[in-house]
Amino acid sequence: GAVVSQHPSWVICKSGTSVKIECRSLDFQATTMFWYRQFPKQSLMLMATSNEGSKATYEQGVEKDKFLINHASLTLSTLTVTSAHPEDSSFYICSARITGQQPQHFGDGTRLSIL
Amino acid sequence: GDSVTQMEGPVTLSEEAFLTINCTYTATGYPSLFWYVQYPGEGLQLLLKATKADDKGSNKGFEATYRKETTSFHLEKGSVQVSDSAVYFCALSSMEYGNKLVFGAGTILRVKS
Repeated sequence: GAVVSQHPSWVICKSGTSVKIECRSLDFQATTMFWYRQFPKQSLMLMATSNEGSKATYEQGVEKDKFLINHASLTLSTLTVTSAHPEDSSFYICSARITGQQPQHFGDGTRLSIL
Repeated sequence: GDSVTQMEGPVTLSEEAFLTINCTYTATGYPSLFWYVQYPGEGLQLLLKATKADDKGSNKGFEATYRKETTSFHLEKGSVQVSDSAVYFCALSSMEYGNKLVFGAGTILRVKS
């Protein structure tokens, strides 16, 4: 149980385009989901906390207009990287928590490459 | 603020060797502690957890004990396999930090046959 699906797993696109990444909790409801960014050989950096039905909470230094988060249902959160540029290339990972419980369950990540 | 410190890697071991990856933490409250594992190109998988002092988490031969007196949560395995090669992250979560996960830097483990 507690499976989190992330899609797509890999995307390559041109500079200036917008890219949407989906994070789904397949067998549980998650009022809270998290979005992380991971650079090569580094730890995970929390970008934002996504709350169902309300605005996401962004960590300091993360541009909310650049990284749009929508959490429209208890099983789906999306991250849209707007007007992506090569410096946005990274590994993005989402996680979800069963309401009221620990721990967080992670998706398999999305490798984003901007040309 | 809350923080997690892990031993630097990479850690290189021969198959069947004993593994220890050190993890210490700093937290104002009473955090829950976790070990996650990341295989190449994948997301994180929960390996084990402990929610209070003296709890021992265990899974797939790995163990870690929540030591409040030494603020530690060291990961151990008695006999590693090549398939254990991965990156291991120690993490904590506390109510004082909004239940967000705070990760250590990660430790690369390489097991040679």
